[in-house]
Amino acid sequence: GAVVSQHPSRVICKSGTSVKIECRSLDFQATTMFWYRQFPKKSLMLMATSNEGSKATYEQGVEKDKFLINHASLTLSTLTVTSAHPEDSSFYICSAREAGQGGNTEAFFGQGTRLTVV
Amino acid sequence: AQSVTQLDSQVPVFEEAPVELRCNYSSSVSVYLFWYVQYPNQGLQLLLKYLSGSTLVESINGFEAEFNKSQTSFHLRKPSVHISDTAEYFCAVSESGGSYIPTFGRGTSLIVHP
Repeated sequence: GAVVSQHPSRVICKSGTSVKIECRSLDFQATTMFWYRQFPKKSLMLMATSNEGSKATYEQGVEKDKFLINHASLTLSTLTVTSAHPEDSSFYICSAREAGQGGNTEAFFGQGTRLTVV
Repeated sequence: AQSVTQLDSQVPVFEEAPVELRCNYSSSVSVYLFWYVQYPNQGLQLLLKYLSGSTLVESINGFEAEFNKSQTSFHLRKPSVHISDTAEYFCAVSESGGSYIPTFGRGTSLIVHP
């Protein structure tokens, strides 16, 4: 199947700093990528939908100025957690669908990024 | 809008025993249904999916799920589990003809004991 690479897999940062997480589709083009946050109780919360060449669509309650999303090409989307705080510590996962595909195809997931803010 | 309910947060079972992980969904339109598996500190991998046609779908590693429209369910089953099946399992639904953004259940932790 298609591969989505997420980097880094693990990052520790100081409170107040910013962290960038990359999500790449390695062997297909993805016009749309999704960013999720997974809480300790396992629930997967959709944060935003990243659209290539346009502004991301954020879910209700997600601060767009804190979680900056850039989808500059058909194979790369980035999530930047700005001015990180300990409560931002979580597991962040991206996923992507191949361009032109709809809901009847699977979304391919990255390996996830464990963010710890100290 | 669609929603997914996974009734069991944790399912402990002994090796070689059968298991069923329950999933119910709610939607006003036709849906596509998925089961994903997540191993510790990893992303999600597709296990199987129902799009149309036969209501019973199977994965390559022995799991199967049956789409039951009248009960709005898509339960995951395996007749004999292995230690390596220990993982988190997520049921997801995507509305056909809609935004195509999948909605996930809270997940079920399958714990296989020797």
